[in-house]
Amino acid sequence: GNSVTQMEGPVTLSEEAFLTINCTYTATGYPSLFWYVQYPGEGLQLLLKATKADDKGSNKGFEATYRKETTSFHLEKGSVQVSDSAVYFCALSYMNRDDKIIFGKGTRLHILP
Amino acid sequence: DAGVTQSPTHLIKTRGQQVTLRCSPISGHKSVSWYQQVLGQGPQFIFQYYEKEERGRGNFPDRFSARQFPNYSSELNVNALLLGDSALYLCASSNADSHIEAFFGQGTRLTVV
Repeated sequence: GNSVTQMEGPVTLSEEAFLTINCTYTATGYPSLFWYVQYPGEGLQLLLKATKADDKGSNKGFEATYRKETTSFHLEKGSVQVSDSAVYFCALSYMNRDDKIIFGKGTRLHILP
Repeated sequence: DAGVTQSPTHLIKTRGQQVTLRCSPISGHKSVSWYQQVLGQGPQFIFQYYEKEERGRGNFPDRFSARQFPNYSSELNVNALLLGDSALYLCASSNADSHIEAFFGQGTRLTVV
């Protein structure tokens, strides 16, 4: 079946460090890929998305590229801030078939000042 | 514009009781989905409703049921509560015509004691 695997956390970095959170997926066909962020005590917010191979999603300094050859969608940011501390979820969905979203287990990110 | 609203935000129930959670989608969104997020895990798909009809169901027991009303709001019902039903229940709405992304509410934190 379809699934998403992302690196386990917690990930702890110093402010202004470079961030990579790895995500790989197993799916048939061509799903859309997403990164969601969950701040403490809140629901999920869409961070970025990519709907086809080689697309790059970007938002708030975060980027991820849809790599079909490696079935990956790694999240990167060049310089993290304390305010980026949150849990990040990689996810996939066939948004033109139904709206079911399959999430990874999440990666908790701690940024130290 | 108001986002996805869920009520209540928190509640505590006893094993064996029944609970009803409510969700109001973003105005104009006709699709509502429900997810269960157990502490430390990614959200798991429970149901999707579109135009008052069930379009998808996840791997949850029959104790879980839902419905969607003519105004597109939705209720999730859980009967015969178990300790393992303790979780954050998230509602998401989407504009099914565009299938671009799902918008999540803040969630209802259910604790079963």
